[in-house]
Amino acid sequence: ETGVTQTPRHLVMGMTNKKSLKCEQHLGHNAMYWYKQSAKKPLELMFVYSLEERVENNSVPSRFSPECPNSSHLFLHLHTLQPEDSALYLCASSQVRGGVPQYFGPGTRLTVL
Amino acid sequence: AQSVTQLDSQVPVFEEAPVELRCNYSSSVSVYLFWYVQYPNQGLQLLLKYLSGSTLVESINGFEAEFNKSQTSFHLRKPSVHISDTAEYFCAVSDGGSQGNLIFGKGTKLSVKP
Repeated sequence: ETGVTQTPRHLVMGMTNKKSLKCEQHLGHNAMYWYKQSAKKPLELMFVYSLEERVENNSVPSRFSPECPNSSHLFLHLHTLQPEDSALYLCASSQVRGGVPQYFGPGTRLTVL
Repeated sequence: AQSVTQLDSQVPVFEEAPVELRCNYSSSVSVYLFWYVQYPNQGLQLLLKYLSGSTLVESINGFEAEFNKSQTSFHLRKPSVHISDTAEYFCAVSDGGSQGNLIFGKGTKLSVKP
């Protein structure tokens, strides 16, 4: 596969569930990002990882927990979410932190019941 | 702080008509500019970018955008749209620094009607 892939593409979970989103990039990039896309709002940057180290956390609630085991993989662990967390979660990567352009995955459509 | 304004949230046009999607940004430093396109139920795809050089940049599917520094604009244009161009278009800006992040506009939904 090429580019940035995300799994699952769709996820429905209850507020008490624990689930994880997975992102994999095949571009040899060193920086990875999680974004949240909600209806009628600009994309919100959630986390930035550079060389597997978290370098930015934009005031994201602790019910979202990212993990970057290596420069190709990025996870977003979810627990005790709220219905307002329902959104499209997008992963992106770039050659280095702050590098442009960023390349995006197809996203995971999350619905919290 | 940088910001991006996309003045039109929705733009309906007929097939084969020309279209312009407007984007203005605010930044006190040199910027890199991007247009991303999001088709229904998909992620963002890079459509075109301005990093340096010629202020007119083109995509492979007929879109073009012109960087206008004096007007701080990066409008997206296509002389003749197709049904398949129906999507949401996002303008984004970065100062390219090591801590620079992409700042996105709210998006413009282009709806092409037959």
